[in-house]
Amino acid sequence: QSVLTQPPSASGTPGQRVTISCSGSSSNIGSNTVNWYQQLPGTAPKLLIYSNNQRPSGVPDRFSGSKSGTSASLAISGLQSEDEADYYCAAWDDSLNGHVVFGGGTKLTVL
Amino acid sequence: QLQLQESGPGLVKPSETLSLTCTVSGGSISSSSYYWGWIRQPPGKGLEWIGSIYYSGSTYYNPSLKSRVTISVDTSKNQFSLKLSSVTAADTAVYYCARQEIQLWLVDYWGQGTLVTVSS
Repeated sequence: QSVLTQPPSASGTPGQRVTISCSGSSSNIGSNTVNWYQQLPGTAPKLLIYSNNQRPSGVPDRFSGSKSGTSASLAISGLQSEDEADYYCAAWDDSLNGHVVFGGGTKLTVL
Repeated sequence: QLQLQESGPGLVKPSETLSLTCTVSGGSISSSSYYWGWIRQPPGKGLEWIGSIYYSGSTYYNPSLKSRVTISVDTSKNQFSLKLSSVTAADTAVYYCARQEIQLWLVDYWGQGTLVTVSS
C-alpha cells in the first residue's frame, strides 16, 4: 500500500488530454512539493515534473503539473503514442524523521 | 555527463545480506547540493524509496526498511553502498541508485538498475 494514492490505470486516444491524480496527506503533499516521473517499459524512470509544476529542460510543454492542498495532478495534452508509460508521483514526507514517498504508479495506455 | 552504475550480486540467498555499490562518474559525490539514494522496484510493481545519504554520512531511511538497511558512502572512491539484511523473496527487485537534489528531493539522475533475486 503506497503512501500516495494514484489510479492504477488511465487511457486516452491520440490528441486527447489525460489527467492523473495523486492524493496524499498533510505530512507529504500538504507541506512539500510534488515530483512526477515517467517510466517507459524496460527503462529507469525519468524526471518529468518537479516542484509541482516545473518542467526539466527537454520535457515537452504538453506535460503539466498542479497541486492543491493534499492532492496533485499530472496533465498530458495532445496525447501521443510515445506517452504510453508508467507515471509516478513522489514527495518528501515530514513524518518519522523524514523520508521520500512514492505513489503506486499509473499505467497510461494510448488507445 | 553524470553517470551512476550499480554493481553487486544478482542472486542472494534468503536470510542473507544484499550488498550493492553505486559508482558515480562525471561528477563528485561530495557535492553539497545532493543526496545519493537507493530506490527499488519489484517485478511488475511500483517504485519504493529505500534511503539516501549525504557525502558527510548523514542518512534518511524508509521507516518500513530502516531496521534492515545501511547506506554508506566512500568519497575517496566516489561510491556509495547499500546493505539490506535478512532478505526474503519480497526483496527481489530491480535496485536503482540515484542522485537526489537536497531541497526538492527530486531524482535527476538514475542508474540503469540491477535485478537482485532472492532465492535459495
